[in-house]
Amino acid sequence: SAVISQKPSRDICQRGTSLTIQCQVDSQVTMMFWYRQQPGQSLTLIATANQGSEATYESGFVIDKFPISRPNLTFSTLTVSNMSPEDSSIYLCSVGTGVGYTFGSGTRLTVV
Amino acid sequence: AQKVTQAQTEISVVEKEDVTLDCVYETRDTTYYLFWYKQPPSGELVFLIRRNSFDEQNEISGRYSWNFQKSTSSFNFTITASQVVDSAVYFCALTLGGGSNYKLTFGKGTLLTVNP
Repeated sequence: SAVISQKPSRDICQRGTSLTIQCQVDSQVTMMFWYRQQPGQSLTLIATANQGSEATYESGFVIDKFPISRPNLTFSTLTVSNMSPEDSSIYLCSVGTGVGYTFGSGTRLTVV
Repeated sequence: AQKVTQAQTEISVVEKEDVTLDCVYETRDTTYYLFWYKQPPSGELVFLIRRNSFDEQNEISGRYSWNFQKSTSSFNFTITASQVVDSAVYFCALTLGGGSNYKLTFGKGTLLTVNP
């Protein structure tokens, strides 16, 4: 199955700033998914990123706040813009494989 | 829209006890996949099993077993002779279709604590 390298693993950021999270996959994949996991909560899909087209955002998430880049079939970035303490969460990328879905190790973001 | 319900928020057991984690799902589609993932305190998501909607056979893998019943829309997970290392949050999830280009819908998770 695919292996995902996600960076950074954690960060502490000042409110009002932006953070870009990167996910590199060791094989070509059509779709990449970005999830948010707020403290003590389940995973919620932010958006689906297809190479060569605009990402598709779930209800409650907007491109201005969470812009996504998908320049090729093995790489994607998620930016958390103009951060506030409410953005403190774990952010995970995911790709589908032949058996299931593989997840990156997550980015633990704290906004102060 | 699809939905996954894990009614048990937290479960605490003593080592060597058997424990069952419940999962009930909702979907109008006839083709779907069900998953269980484990999230230990380190935070990564560990894939445990995938089951498609046309395969109701129960599955056993070591101390883990899964019971899929379409009649009750349930996909329950049992750990036999639990161990401290089983302590984690367990998520049940659902996706539609037959490929890997569909999003996963997660339940809220069950925190399992196994005490020595």
